[in-house]
Amino acid sequence: DGGITQSPKYLFRKEGQNVTLSCEQNLNHDAMYWYRQDPGQGLRLIYYSQIVNDFQKGDIAEGYSVSREKKESFPLTVTSAQKNPTAFYLCASSTIQGFGGTDTQYFGPGTRLTVL
Amino acid sequence: QKEVEQNSGPLSVPEGAIASLNCTYSDRGSQSFFWYRQYSGKSPELIMSIYSNGDKEDGRFTAQLNKASQYVSLLIRDSQPSDSATYLCAVRGTALIFGKGTTLSVSS
Repeated sequence: DGGITQSPKYLFRKEGQNVTLSCEQNLNHDAMYWYRQDPGQGLRLIYYSQIVNDFQKGDIAEGYSVSREKKESFPLTVTSAQKNPTAFYLCASSTIQGFGGTDTQYFGPGTRLTVL
Repeated sequence: QKEVEQNSGPLSVPEGAIASLNCTYSDRGSQSFFWYRQYSGKSPELIMSIYSNGDKEDGRFTAQLNKASQYVSLLIRDSQPSDSATYLCAVRGTALIFGKGTTLSVSS
C-alpha cells in the first residue's frame, strides 16, 4: 500500500530531552513537510524539503531540526530548546509543481507528543 | 504575513440540510485552494481542491472559488452525522497555509 507512515503514534518526553519523530513515504514524492497542530488551531509549518539533502525553515522552526538523507524519509527532532513541544505533529508529502502549484499534500497519521 | 481566515464555529446543522463553510485569504496571488476534513484525533484528509473561479462538484461536496473577493467556500449537501468534523481550508504557497478550521456538527 502506498502512503505515509509516522512513528511512534504517541511519544512522551521528559524536560530537557531530545526526541526524534519518524516519517516515511513510499509515494515517490519529492517534497516532504512537517506541521505542528495545537488544540483548536490550524496547522503551522515547521520545516519542508523539496529535494534530498536540502530543507527550508517554516514559520516555527526554532527548537526543531530535520534531515533528508533519503527521498523516502524526513525525520524531525524536537530539541530541548523547544519550550512548549506538547502538540500533534503531522508529516506530509507531495509532488512539486512550484509556487502556487496544483500538487496536493497527503498527510501521515500523526504523532502526539507530550512533555512530562 | 499570508493569512487564511475561517469562522471557528461550531456550525450546527440537522441531518439532510446543507452545510456552508467559508474561508477568506489574504494573498491575492494565491492560485490553489484545498479543503481538508479532520476528525478528532486524526490527521487531515483531502476532500476537494479548486484552482479556477466558479464551482467544482464532487458527490455531495461543492467547492466555490471567487478570486476577486478572495473567498473560498465548501457546501455539503444532504449532511450526515458522519460529516461531523473540523474542516480546514488551505491555500498553496511554498507549502500549505491553513486556517484554524470550522467545526461542523450534524445532528440526527
